[in-house]
Amino acid sequence: QVQLVESGGGVVQPGRSLRLSCAASGFIFRNYGMHWVRQAPGKGLEWVAVIWYDGSNKYYGDSVKGRFTISRDNSKNTLYLQMDSLRAEDTALYYCAREQIAARHFDYWGQGTLVTVSS
Amino acid sequence: QSALTQPRSVSGSPGQSVTISCTGTSSDVGGYNYVSWYQQHPGKAPKLMIYDVTKRPSGVPDRFSGSKSGNTASLTISGLQAEDEADYYCCSYAGNYWVFGGGTKLTVL
Repeated sequence: QVQLVESGGGVVQPGRSLRLSCAASGFIFRNYGMHWVRQAPGKGLEWVAVIWYDGSNKYYGDSVKGRFTISRDNSKNTLYLQMDSLRAEDTALYYCAREQIAARHFDYWGQGTLVTVSS
Repeated sequence: QSALTQPRSVSGSPGQSVTISCTGTSSDVGGYNYVSWYQQHPGKAPKLMIYDVTKRPSGVPDRFSGSKSGNTASLTISGLQAEDEADYYCCSYAGNYWVFGGGTKLTVL
């Protein structure tokens, strides 16, 4: 069965960096686009970034553009999110989600990893 | 990249129908037939309920249906059941980025 397992969250000071991972299993990872979506405590969902199935294209939400970098290693079936210059408003549960090629929706989600930015 | 507009809450009694609206612009909801809806129970990950405005993934009851008119999409849940009580989010593709609605809390009375 499809599984997406996020890791790497934790407490980090403002201005510091953190790298999240999302381990995929149960499907052919290299055939799917992958996204990061976040949810601040008690708030709604916010799309963060997408990477195409082959890593050739990446797009970001305005609030993270220039600070976050999405990447993937198809040989390891793993998605990453490098988060630099973290701010308090980046505090959220970060989900990875799968998109069939050009489907434009997210058919499977992980359980999320919590990032807390605080001094 | 402004969030789509959803009502903060809706409610209905078991067996009734409710409709949740999702208003965007011609750059997102109105510009593409790529509106999706997600159900989220407390402490759980979102679950895809509707995609491509009207399509249901396998396993989603046909009590859930979607539609769109202009810049507004809608999710209708008929024959409300207690387990439908959850938060619902709309999402639209907007040309190399995606935008979510603020979420609607559905209460089954």
